[in-house]
Amino acid sequence: RKEVEQDPGPFNVPEGATVAFNCTYSNSASQSFFWYRQDCRKEPKLLMSVYSSGNEDGRFTAQLNRASQYISLLIRDSKLSDSATYLCVVNIEQTGANNLFFGTGTRLTVIP
Amino acid sequence: DGGITQSPKYLFRKEGQNVTLSCEQNLNHDAMYWYRQDPGQGLRLIYYSQIVNDFQKGDIAEGYSVSREKKESFPLTVTSAQKNPTAFYLCASTSSGGFEKLFFGSGTQLSVL
Repeated sequence: RKEVEQDPGPFNVPEGATVAFNCTYSNSASQSFFWYRQDCRKEPKLLMSVYSSGNEDGRFTAQLNRASQYISLLIRDSKLSDSATYLCVVNIEQTGANNLFFGTGTRLTVIP
Repeated sequence: DGGITQSPKYLFRKEGQNVTLSCEQNLNHDAMYWYRQDPGQGLRLIYYSQIVNDFQKGDIAEGYSVSREKKESFPLTVTSAQKNPTAFYLCASTSSGGFEKLFFGSGTQLSVL
C-alpha cells in the first residue's frame, strides 16, 4: 500500500466553481502535512501547510482528519490560474530523519 | 536572495555515458534531497543527505550516485547502469530538526539520445 494516495484526476471545472481534493495516508505516525502546487515541468511550490485545526488562506482551505487519515484541499471561486497539479505531501519522522512522502498529484484544469 | 540552483535545465545523455546534475543551495540547510519525477507520477526519492559527508539511499537509488563534500552542494551522477534515465530531476533542501517545508530547485530534464 502506498504511503500517500491521491486521485490523479483530471478535474475539469468551470471558472468560479468550488473544487475539493482528498488525499489519504497510511501511516498513523504521520506528523506533518502539506499541499504543494506544481505547474507543468516546473518545481513544486508550497501552497499550504495543513494543521489539525484546519487552516484557510484566501480561497484555499486545508483540513486534516487524523481519525480517518486524510487531508483535503478546497478551492473556492476557481480561477484559470489555479490550473496545475496539486501534490499532497506527508512527513513521517523516523529515527531522527525526516521522511517526506509525495502523492502522485491531482491535475486540475479550470475552464473559461 | 537565498535559494537552490539546479543546472543544467536540459541535459542529454548518450548510451553508456555518465552525466552529473548540479545542485547548489545558499540557504544554510543541512538536509538535501534528489527526486525523480516521471510523467503522471509523484516524486520518488533517489538519495538524501542529512549532513555533510553522509548520505542515504532513497527508494530508487540503483544506477545513481551522489556526494556531499560541502554543505552547499549535492551533485547527482546518473550512471550508465541506470537504463531508463529519462525523467525530470528535482533537487530540494530543508533545515533539519523540524517539520520544515522543502525548497526546490527548478529541475533538470534529462533525456537519452
